[in-house]
Amino acid sequence: GQNIDQPTEMTATEGAIVQINCTYQTSGFNGLFWYQQHAGEAPTFLSYNVLDGLEEKGRFSSFLSRSKGYSYLLLKELQMKDSASYLCAVRDLSNDYKLSFGAGTTVTVRA
Amino acid sequence: ETGVTQTPRHLVMGMTNKKSLKCEQHLGHNAMYWYKQSAKKPLELMFVYSLEERVENNSVPSRFSPECPNSSHLFLHLHTLQPEDSALYLCASSLGAGGTYEQYFGPGTRLTVT
Repeated sequence: GQNIDQPTEMTATEGAIVQINCTYQTSGFNGLFWYQQHAGEAPTFLSYNVLDGLEEKGRFSSFLSRSKGYSYLLLKELQMKDSASYLCAVRDLSNDYKLSFGAGTTVTVRA
Repeated sequence: ETGVTQTPRHLVMGMTNKKSLKCEQHLGHNAMYWYKQSAKKPLELMFVYSLEERVENNSVPSRFSPECPNSSHLFLHLHTLQPEDSALYLCASSLGAGGTYEQYFGPGTRLTVT
């Protein structure tokens, strides 16, 4: 099974940088996803990591360390529209269809 | 618009009612999923279908019954639900499994059981 932990809430100022950490314990790791979910809306895909290192996509970057069971999502040049919940999800090695999600980190961006 | 639609968007039902949730994906994907999202809790995977065959049934009570008539449509039939079943029910689809195949989510059905 999977055990995925991420902070419940974070607050940051517009234009700043925020790092959302995710730690996981798994019997079999086969990839990690980050999703963004605005209140009342569907989760949308942000990033995927399966190898160690940093993946950069514009203002958003995601990092993975498989040996440490650790990932982070880095949001740069924060904008008000980045206020949302950010979900970390780990794919199970035994079942490619199965994603186990963390409870999500609610990020509030203040002016 | 993510290409995955769900109806209804909101549903209020009594514990003795029978209702169905519908999901349709317009992305040509082969796999479809049902998730339950309760406040402050992780998304819980309920069911997965791949090419209309159920590949995951995550110890879900029998009062929830899925149906996948084709690769574009997925239903969740509900009967004799409990108040604790009130939640957001999300449908998702993916082209395949493994690798970089991400799941695309619909907007969800907000279910309230009275």
